[in-house]
Amino acid sequence: SYELTQPPSASVSPGQTATITCSGETLTNRHFYWYQQKPGQAPVLVIYKGSERPAGISERFSGSSSGTTFTLTISGVQTEDEADYYCQSADSGGTWVFGGGTKLTVL
Amino acid sequence: QVHLQESGPGLVKPSETLSLTCSVSGASVRSYYWSWIRQPPGEGLEWIGFIYYNGPSNYNPSLKGRVTISVDMSKNQVSLELRSVTAADTAVFYCARHGAAGIVATTDHYYGMDVWGQGTAVTV
Repeated sequence: SYELTQPPSASVSPGQTATITCSGETLTNRHFYWYQQKPGQAPVLVIYKGSERPAGISERFSGSSSGTTFTLTISGVQTEDEADYYCQSADSGGTWVFGGGTKLTVL
Repeated sequence: QVHLQESGPGLVKPSETLSLTCSVSGASVRSYYWSWIRQPPGEGLEWIGFIYYNGPSNYNPSLKGRVTISVDMSKNQVSLELRSVTAADTAVFYCARHGAAGIVATTDHYYGMDVWGQGTAVTV
């Protein structure tokens, strides 16, 4: 089965840029997504189809990919960005999978 | 505004069937794909499966054989059944829409899960 690997934790200072990576065996013929989840809340979609931002999501959030890794970048990090971030991928057959999640700490 | 509300028993006995309902308001269940996702306490997210109203569905291979997702168009609801549950099935269960703001209907589930319910906790 397809697996996505994320670092369990990351930390960044306010105003700096945070990058969270997600690795898979292959990115070919797959779509990629990022979700933000704060404690006690449902996840929120912040990036879809690799680099698209849903309405209402800050321009500080961006997505990109290279090789077998796709990346969430948060520029000008704010304390409100502290959360768990999950990558997600879907294959052409409609099977979806989540990464294990990365806890982002804003120091 | 689209709103999803999960409901069902908070406690299920081992070996029994877990049944949950997702009530949809502000959108028709005919217009999008719908997923169920679960999150065990202190753990990450796991996709369970999705469905479109006229039949196309897919499930997490690790749960196939135990799970069924269905749509009730008359009640505008999406349902989940998970059979033969064990303690490992204890989790918060979420339903979610595959879509995007401004897209009134789509068969493209690759928009991702843009609207989520608040989740319902189930203990086995």
